[in-house]
Amino acid sequence: EPEVTQTPSHQVTQMGQEVILRCVPISNHLYFYWYRQILGQKVEFLVSFYNNEISEKSEIFDDQFSVERPDGSNFTLKIRSTKLEDSAMYFCASSEMTSFGELFFGEGSRLTVL
Amino acid sequence: AQTVTQSQPEMSVQEAETVTLSCTYDTSESDYYLFWYKQPPSRQMILVIRQEAYKQQNATENRFSVNFQKAAKSFSLKISDSQLGDAAMYFCAYRRRGGGSNYKLTFGKGTLLTVNP
Repeated sequence: EPEVTQTPSHQVTQMGQEVILRCVPISNHLYFYWYRQILGQKVEFLVSFYNNEISEKSEIFDDQFSVERPDGSNFTLKIRSTKLEDSAMYFCASSEMTSFGELFFGEGSRLTVL
Repeated sequence: AQTVTQSQPEMSVQEAETVTLSCTYDTSESDYYLFWYKQPPSRQMILVIRQEAYKQQNATENRFSVNFQKAAKSFSLKISDSQLGDAAMYFCAYRRRGGGSNYKLTFGKGTLLTVNP
């Protein structure tokens, strides 16, 4: 069964460093998302991406964040200069172009900023 | 803005018994979807069940069923004949209908379900 895959599963970085989290969505899906979950808190929407552009972003998704679909298969989230509060589990998701649009999630990438 | 509240951080159930997880939400929309997602330890979230707000009939998927009370904005999940594999974090989520290019979900904080043998 096709699934969304994410790498790395865990990354530890120093504050101020750039981080790129990678996702391979399900191949026939057209909508892509990043969510994050700070430990003990809600899963929060960060950004959605369709037709090679951002379709919606949350207040969390400030200028330090960017997304890209560089090669037609990967979908990346870049954090330019990480802060301690960026430590979280980051989930990638994708969905088809249907009226229902069920989201399929990856296993998540845990980011720890020291 | 829509909000989703899960008031039970943790629940436990004996194997083969029934458990109900609570969820309430707040929205000004009249047409929307509600979901329960399951996240086993170190695994991805998977969809358990969904409910379309315009449907009065409660959704059912095998041992999983919901009690959807639109007026009360309540959406509880009932798991019957609980199995050890049901142990997971359960998230309630909301999405407005007709998202166009965006199917953004709003999640609750989750309920951690433990199944005791």
